[in-house]
Amino acid sequence: SSELTQDPAVSVALGQTVRITCQGDSLRSYYASWYQQKPGQAPVLVIYGKNNRPSGIPDRFSGSSSGNTASLTITGAQAEDEADYYCNSRDSSGPAVFGGGTQLTVL
Amino acid sequence: EVQLVESGGGLVQPGGSLRLSCAASGFTFSSYWMSWVRQAPGKGLEWVANIKQDGSEKYYVDSVKGRFTISRDNAKNSLYLQMNSLRAEDTAVYYCAREFSSGLDHYYGMDVWGQGTTVTVSS
Repeated sequence: SSELTQDPAVSVALGQTVRITCQGDSLRSYYASWYQQKPGQAPVLVIYGKNNRPSGIPDRFSGSSSGNTASLTITGAQAEDEADYYCNSRDSSGPAVFGGGTQLTVL
Repeated sequence: EVQLVESGGGLVQPGGSLRLSCAASGFTFSSYWMSWVRQAPGKGLEWVANIKQDGSEKYYVDSVKGRFTISRDNAKNSLYLQMNSLRAEDTAVYYCAREFSSGLDHYYGMDVWGQGTTVTVSS
């Protein structure tokens, strides 16, 4: 089964830009999707596809991809962006996979 | 309102069984792949299983193969997860999620999530 690798923790100063990365072979077939999860809450989809935001997601969230690496960028991080972030993809056949998650701290 | 509501969680002894349910509303349930995703205490998200719109394809993470069975009833707008031979490491919050994808545009994701149901496996 495929795997997705994320850095366990990242920090950013308030108002600055941060990039969270995700690596894995399945990303050569499908773009990563990204989820934000705050304590005690269900995950929320923030980015999918090449660089698509669901309705209601602020435009400071963006996505990019190159080869087997996907990135989630938050431009002008806000205090409310402090959360865990997970990437997700699937094999071409059907099984899905999540990255281990990145804990984002906004300083 | 598009909604998923899980139920059926609880405390069960090792080796026991539990059946989780997920009730969908606000969208055409039969048009979507559906997934179960779990999160052990203090840990990350783990995809568990998914099922095609008509139930003809099912996939599982290796750690639950042979023990868990995903199913759906499109007439009842419901998704299920039958969990047998439960182990302590199955302790987690279990979420059901709606999948979306485009093979043409190479995107995939889960855009609707329930609030989760807690499964605790302990003696």
